[in-house]
Amino acid sequence: GQSLEQPSEVTAVEGAIVQINCTYQTSGFYGLSWYQQHDGGAPTFLSYNALDGLEETGRFSSFLSRSDSYGYLLLQELQMKDSASYFCAVRNSGTYKYIFGTGTRLKVLA
Amino acid sequence: DAGVTQSPTHLIKTRGQQVTLRCSPKSGHDTVSWYQQALGQGPQFIFQYYEEEERQRGNFPDRFSGHQFPNYSSELNVNALLLGDSALYLCASSPQGNPYEQYFGPGTRLTVT
Repeated sequence: GQSLEQPSEVTAVEGAIVQINCTYQTSGFYGLSWYQQHDGGAPTFLSYNALDGLEETGRFSSFLSRSDSYGYLLLQELQMKDSASYFCAVRNSGTYKYIFGTGTRLKVLA
Repeated sequence: DAGVTQSPTHLIKTRGQQVTLRCSPKSGHDTVSWYQQALGQGPQFIFQYYEEEERQRGNFPDRFSGHQFPNYSSELNVNALLLGDSALYLCASSPQGNPYEQYFGPGTRLTVT
């Protein structure tokens, strides 16, 4: 089957750096996306990796390695407002179907 | 510029009933996707509409159907509701040429009793 696995929960302190991993089993996909979702809110787009390597957007960076079936989201200079759930997602090759990961709940402590 | 809007925000239905949820995409977006999100889980892809047609469907039964109108707005219909259909239903829009960046609406919380 197709799946994207993430750690269920990660805890870090304000100002720290945290990495949220996404390992996947899928036959082929166009790229890896990341979304943030606060409790009671809608997912918001953070980043997209079409190719292997690192993409940086402000405090957030995302990485993809297709050969390792692995990606991650890196959050730097953590702030309390970063406490949320984070999802990786892919669009299957040859389709318009999106698959979301299991989600990681990030708790940022003061 | 209004983002993606959905209505209603909350809905309570009884098993066996039918429900219609509505979505207006972000201005300039022509593609609408619908997702079901159970508590504590990631969104599950229901289907995607483009040019008023369903162009991709996820692993959902035929009880789930939809429609897209000429102004790109969309509806999700669920027939013969089951308790397991209780979830947050999210609509997402994306512009043609950039399908990887989806903009989500606030969702409709459906409770089936």
